[in-house]
Amino acid sequence: GESVGLHLPTLSVQEGDNSIINCAYSNSASDYFIWYKQESGKGPQFIIDIRSNMDKRQGQRVTVLLNKTVKHLSLQIAATQPGDSAVYFCAETRSQGNLIFGKGTKLSVKP
Amino acid sequence: DTGVSQDPRHKITKRGQNVTFRCDPISEHNRLYWYRQTLGQGPEFLTYFQNEAQLEKSRLLSDRFSAERPKGSFSTLEIQRTEQGDSAMYLCASSPKYPRDGASTDTQYFGPGTRLTVL
Repeated sequence: GESVGLHLPTLSVQEGDNSIINCAYSNSASDYFIWYKQESGKGPQFIIDIRSNMDKRQGQRVTVLLNKTVKHLSLQIAATQPGDSAVYFCAETRSQGNLIFGKGTKLSVKP
Repeated sequence: DTGVSQDPRHKITKRGQNVTFRCDPISEHNRLYWYRQTLGQGPEFLTYFQNEAQLEKSRLLSDRFSAERPKGSFSTLEIQRTEQGDSAMYLCASSPKYPRDGASTDTQYFGPGTRLTVL
């Protein structure tokens, strides 16, 4: 899930498969993490969040995993659907501060 | 719609002109954030308000940029003497003082953004 320069990494999956999007965060002091979904021309849409005192949190079809040892975050989407096609960003923050966003991963779902 | 709203959605201007954007946060959200997003990048923090107080400004916020939130509700972001490098999506987000339904005071909800093009 890391990007180089201006090129977004892309994940292409078949409809119905599970998707895993990875993110490395930068600040070991960050204590709150969010995944956002952004469709073309729209603002980021909240998907799921997790606090640093947890290592896993589940939502509807989505799971976020946090590994503080290696500062790694992942988003798992079960039974991926065409409507899940978008750019996904992880973001970190500390104590109601500003969000620091990762580079983003473009998810393409093939029907 | 009770989400964050932004106006205008699109703005095309000539270099050197001033532009102003408006953000209306979710009702009763006390914190309001401004971000800028260029193509292929994640949003970058510009500034934020807690009620009417501007508490932090990024180094990205040059002297040509000014933001206000006079009554602690809506906010405006003004760019003076626009430059081509100002072309970007300007995003506003808000976060709640009293979160509901399992949300957090740290959760930021974004508006649709204002796309600025400087010719």
